[in-house]
Amino acid sequence: GQNIDQPTEMTATEGAIVQINCTYQTSGFNGLFWYQQHAGEAPTFLSYNVLDGLEEKGRFSSFLSRSKGYSYLLLKELQMKDSASYLCAGMDSNYQLIWGAGTKLIIKP
Amino acid sequence: GAGVSQSPSNKVTEKGKDVELRCDPISGHTALYWYRQSLGQGLEFLIYFQGNSAPDKSGLPSDRFSAERTGGSVSTLTIQRTQQEDSAVYLCASSLYYGNTEAFFGQGTRLTVV
Repeated sequence: GQNIDQPTEMTATEGAIVQINCTYQTSGFNGLFWYQQHAGEAPTFLSYNVLDGLEEKGRFSSFLSRSKGYSYLLLKELQMKDSASYLCAGMDSNYQLIWGAGTKLIIKP
Repeated sequence: GAGVSQSPSNKVTEKGKDVELRCDPISGHTALYWYRQSLGQGLEFLIYFQGNSAPDKSGLPSDRFSAERTGGSVSTLTIQRTQQEDSAVYLCASSLYYGNTEAFFGQGTRLTVV
C-alpha cells in the first residue's frame, strides 16, 4: 500500500534549527512535496524534490533520498511565525498525491 | 481571481440534509482537486478534474458524494443525506495542469453535521 509517515508533533526554540523527517512508500514516484499549513488556513507550497539531494530556499531546505524513501524539511533561524503544521506528500506514478497527517511544529521563545 | 476561492467558509447542517460546496479556481488552471481533512489527519483525496477529461472519482467515499465542474472553471461538491462522519474541512486546490506542479489551495469549507 501507499503510506507517508511523519512525526505528529515537534517543539523547537526560536532562533534554532529543526529537521522534520518524512518516509514514504508510493506506487512509483514522481516527487515529494512539502506544504505549510497554519491553523485554520489553507496549505501553502514550500518545496518539491524529485532528484536526490538538498534543495535550499532561504531559511527552508528540503532533502530527498529516493533509495531510502526518505525526505526531510530543514528550517533554520526559527521564527515564531513558523509555528504551523508541515505536510509531506509523495506523488505516485499516476501523479496522485499521497499525504501524510502533518507534523505540528511548536516554536517556543 | 487572485487565488482559489471557496464558499461557504463554514456550514452547519442537520443530519440527512444535502449540502453544496463551491470552489472557484485560479483562472487558467486546468486541474482542480477536492480533498477532505479531518482533525489531526492528512488530506484525503476525493476527486480531481483535468480540463475536459472525465473526472477521477476514485476517492469519493460513497455514492452520496458527487462533484461537477462547469465550463472547466467553477466546481461544486455535493453531499447528499449528510452523516455526522462527513464533518470535516473540505479543501479545493487548483494547479496549472495535472502532474508534478504546485497546487494552490483555497481556505476550505468547514462542514459540521449535527
